[in-house]
Amino acid sequence: SQQGEEDPQALSIQEGENATMNCSYKTSINNLQWYRQNSGRGLVHLILIRSNEREKHSGRLRVTLDTSKKSSSLLITASRAADTASYFCATERGGATNKLIFGTGTLLAVQP
Amino acid sequence: NAGVTQTPKFRVLKTGQSMTLLCAQDMNHEYMYWYRQDPGMGLRLIHYSVGEGTTAKGEVPDGYNVSRLKKQNFLLGLESAAPSQTSVYFCASSYGPLTLVEKTQYFGPGTRLLVL
Repeated sequence: SQQGEEDPQALSIQEGENATMNCSYKTSINNLQWYRQNSGRGLVHLILIRSNEREKHSGRLRVTLDTSKKSSSLLITASRAADTASYFCATERGGATNKLIFGTGTLLAVQP
Repeated sequence: NAGVTQTPKFRVLKTGQSMTLLCAQDMNHEYMYWYRQDPGMGLRLIHYSVGEGTTAKGEVPDGYNVSRLKKQNFLLGLESAAPSQTSVYFCASSYGPLTLVEKTQYFGPGTRLLVL
């Protein structure tokens, strides 16, 4: 079963606008990661936030984590056409296997 | 470095046929994973390996077998393909559990499989 669900399923914005995607999950986690997938390609890791962190930044990316609500958000600021992709959250529940449970993804389209 | 590579890129099978998907990584990673991706489902873990000679079941292992005879290779086998196995298959690898940095998974480009 899927651990995470993402919201919205699809998002269309203009270049320069900010994009926010949300992820909800069901059980306690060690960390939460966000990945990007360009059409027809493999996934690329964007950022990891630990369960004891509330916010993390990386370039134009800002991730928040609320473990009490079992939710995370990914904010992409000043979006570019090249940001067009699907974005997935993935949770790791612990143990020595690094097993990730992926959400269903948000398809982001950035119009030039 | 090539990173994670997958062979083949695309394959069409008839129901009942068998095939093996090959994943290779040149990053000396301990852990390797096989996922399948279906529309609207995200990625689901089929099998994984925490080291050479070891394998374990993931979320959706039925109908698949795996082997990790060499550290750099992880093979996914379909013994008798079914239309329900039509999907895009991704291989991934990671260093291991030692640090948070090493928890990142690196993905291959995928194999598109169509079972008729």
